[in-house]
Amino acid sequence: KAGVTQTPRYLIKTRGQQVTLSCSPISGHRSVSWYQQTPGQGLQFLFEYFSETQRNKGNFPGRFSGRQFSNSRSEMNVSTLELGDSALYLCASSLAAAGGQETQYFGPGTRLLVL
Amino acid sequence: GNSVTQMEGPVTLSEEAFLTINCTYTATGYPSLFWYVQYPGEGLQLLLKATKADDKGSNKGFEATYRKETTSFHLEKGSVQVSDSAVYFCALSERNTDKLIFGTGTRLQVFP
Repeated sequence: KAGVTQTPRYLIKTRGQQVTLSCSPISGHRSVSWYQQTPGQGLQFLFEYFSETQRNKGNFPGRFSGRQFSNSRSEMNVSTLELGDSALYLCASSLAAAGGQETQYFGPGTRLLVL
Repeated sequence: GNSVTQMEGPVTLSEEAFLTINCTYTATGYPSLFWYVQYPGEGLQLLLKATKADDKGSNKGFEATYRKETTSFHLEKGSVQVSDSAVYFCALSERNTDKLIFGTGTRLQVFP
């Protein structure tokens, strides 16, 4: 079974631009979560989607948004990019029963560099 | 709020040495606990998990036991290999959500 895939793997943008990252979960997985990883802040939760609905959201500004499609694929968007948005963005999927606490499987990440 | 605390790294060991990476947590209710590993340039791989008190997770020679009385989930391996060099993250999953809260990560360096 194929793992979680993320596209693109690398991205360079300039301040003020916007970016869209894509995540395809493991087949059959219904929950997708996004995390930001930086050397200074470590791994931080962005948001979680289940059945096309945002189930949970981390403490990030409104410039960060996401969505999930009916096939469970997910996208996240960052508008008005800032230098501090440079990070590795990780997507994770799980089978996701309603009770949560399912094991999450991570993709390889998209490395975003903002110049 | 919920949080995870890991020991500072890097941890530097010789091959075949015993490994312990400490992890303690603060959480309400009964979280699930996880260890993930990240190799250079890659995403996170699940190493092991435990879902309730006294559960022992194990995989590839690594073990960790969910200790509710000490709120700990220390990672151990009896004999490390050079290929175990990576960053290890302890994490908890809150109730009714898949959201993971991670520790800061511990870099392990194993030398031949």
